[in-house]
Amino acid sequence: QVQLVQSGAEVKKPGASVRVSCEASGYAFTTYGITWVRQAPGQGLEWLGWISTYDGDTNYAQKFQGRVTMTTDTSTSTAYMELRSLTSDDTAVYCCARGTDALDIWGQGTMVTVSS
Amino acid sequence: EKVLTQSPATLSVSPGERVTLSCRASQSVSSSLAWYQLKRGQAPRLLIYDASTRATGIPARFSGSGSGTEFTLTISSLQSEDFAVYYCHQYNNWPRTFGQGTKVQIK
Repeated sequence: QVQLVQSGAEVKKPGASVRVSCEASGYAFTTYGITWVRQAPGQGLEWLGWISTYDGDTNYAQKFQGRVTMTTDTSTSTAYMELRSLTSDDTAVYCCARGTDALDIWGQGTMVTVSS
Repeated sequence: EKVLTQSPATLSVSPGERVTLSCRASQSVSSSLAWYQLKRGQAPRLLIYDASTRATGIPARFSGSGSGTEFTLTISSLQSEDFAVYYCHQYNNWPRTFGQGTKVQIK
């Protein structure tokens, strides 16, 4: 079936970087973009950015410009999101989702905890 | 950036009741609006896209309406499995944005 499977939970120290993966299956990977969203504890959904799986074009939320990089590996149907210079405010569940507009398939989420 | 404001923040309702959730955009987003349901420990579920089109497998009790800056999600008869947090999401332009959510809880 169509699914997105994300990498496991991460614990990082302030200042470190984290890379979350999102492996797609059950559909043609390059026909849908991938969007990244996060939810901090007790907070709402926050849009981080989007990547075209067709040509690698990206669009990032201004808040994360310079600190986030989204990439894909079409040979493994996997999308990646790297976030650098982590602070405690980056503690959140990070989700990938299929789509450029409405997001119809979501990964299970990856908990990233930033703590000294 | 287009800001989405959802109201109310929390709604206390009884099963079987009709529920109406609101999402207001700071500028027109045309009909480029989706609604999601989020339950604790689960991935978000797409309910409505293009303001009024139900996603695959979504029960008919969920309906969406509106265009421009005013949108509504209606649940015609709330079921026990519908207690959750609901988010609207605009994809009219970049950056995409979400509303802050409406929690539907048991009265």
